[in-house]
Amino acid sequence: EVQLVESGGGLVKPGGSLRLSCAASGFTFNNYNMDWVRQAPGKGLEWVSSISPDSLYIYYADSVKGRFTISRDNAKNSLFLQINTLRADDTAVYYCARALEPAAPRGPVDYWGQGALVTVSS
Amino acid sequence: AIRMTQSPSSLSASIGDRVTITCRASQSISNYLAWYQQKPGKAPKLLIYAASTLQSGVPSRFSGSGSGTDFTLTINRLQSEDFATYYCQQCYSYPFAFGPGTQVEIK
Repeated sequence: EVQLVESGGGLVKPGGSLRLSCAASGFTFNNYNMDWVRQAPGKGLEWVSSISPDSLYIYYADSVKGRFTISRDNAKNSLFLQINTLRADDTAVYYCARALEPAAPRGPVDYWGQGALVTVSS
Repeated sequence: AIRMTQSPSSLSASIGDRVTITCRASQSISNYLAWYQQKPGKAPKLLIYAASTLQSGVPSRFSGSGSGTDFTLTINRLQSEDFATYYCQQCYSYPFAFGPGTQVEIK
């Protein structure tokens, strides 16, 4: 069974940093693109970042470029999102998600974690 | 960046109705369009990808169509479990973008 479990969320002051983790199991992690998607309270979905299986291809939403860093550790079946210079509008549930098809350079996601809440407030 | 719009933003429907949601891309995305369903407090669920391919396990009352810039999600014979918010997403070029969502409510 595919499982994605996020951790690392919490309350952070504006300007602070946080590192989200996503532990993957039930599939061959190093075969799949992985994404982060976020959702502010009461708002819609926002795609944040994608990383290829070999970490050579990395993409970010314009709203987070320069502040967020996606990475992965295939040996530990883990995905990460380093979030720096946090702002109030970064407050959201952050989901990690797996690409639908292995080795596909682009495409939708089919499995999602339960989400990690990040709250940015003084 | 490609921008996605959806209409309507919300709709009210009855059990058994046929519901149609439209998604439009700001430029051609071929058929790189996915639809997701999200219920309150839950992660989204992939319904349709490649504009018209039904994800495994999704009921056949859901269907998708379109290519280029205009796409449609249709729900035939609406069931109680279908009341949710629906999002389209373009997967043609990065940054991927979601539409703003369409909330389907009970009439």
